[in-house]
Amino acid sequence: NAGVTQTPKFRVLKTGQSMTLLCAQDMNHEYMYWYRQDPGMGLRLIHYSVGEGTTAKGEVPDGYNVSRLKKQNFLLGLESAAPSQTSVYFCASSYSWVRGVTEAFFGQGTRLTVV
Amino acid sequence: KNEVEQSPQNLTAQEGEFITINCSYSVGISALHWLQQHPGGGIVSLFMLSSGKKKHGRLIATINIQEKHSSLHITASHPRDSAVYICAVRGKPLQNTGNQFYFGTGTSLTVIP
Repeated sequence: NAGVTQTPKFRVLKTGQSMTLLCAQDMNHEYMYWYRQDPGMGLRLIHYSVGEGTTAKGEVPDGYNVSRLKKQNFLLGLESAAPSQTSVYFCASSYSWVRGVTEAFFGQGTRLTVV
Repeated sequence: KNEVEQSPQNLTAQEGEFITINCSYSVGISALHWLQQHPGGGIVSLFMLSSGKKKHGRLIATINIQEKHSSLHITASHPRDSAVYICAVRGKPLQNTGNQFYFGTGTSLTVIP
């Protein structure tokens, strides 16, 4: 009963390097989200997915790409990391609206530093 | 613009004090969430509210839909309550806000023994 699992938990990248963050959920949730958390700001939505094979841009999508090839996994990619992408990244998942109002479940976060 | 506003931003209390954190929002919502984040830790959902009041142990959350306001209360506060408390609302899909969550910037609570 893992809930939402993010990997890795910590990472340091050099400017220009690429990496992929993995989010996995075992609750059969339709919706998955990637957020970034920066000091003094609320969580900001990067990309989200309402189902397998579908993704959409959030508030701050530039510099990131995502894929949802399997329902349980949502990947966040940084093709060419920049220092402005230094942040804590959170993944979340929830059921869809057709199941009524439901809560979201969050991962433990990934602390990324780009130097 | 910020769809969700929280106050205060920072709060220090003595152990045993009654604590209130406030949240106001400007969008139509289907539900409001109170989340807890410990230093260096993940985010945990404390409450999900769409009306009225909920209570879990020493925590009480209320929501007034007409006034677009919610409060989180902690009775008999304890040092282990020290964390960041985040208010989040989930938009109504029919109002073109999608199914997204909007987050406040959080209230950092420190409870001193």
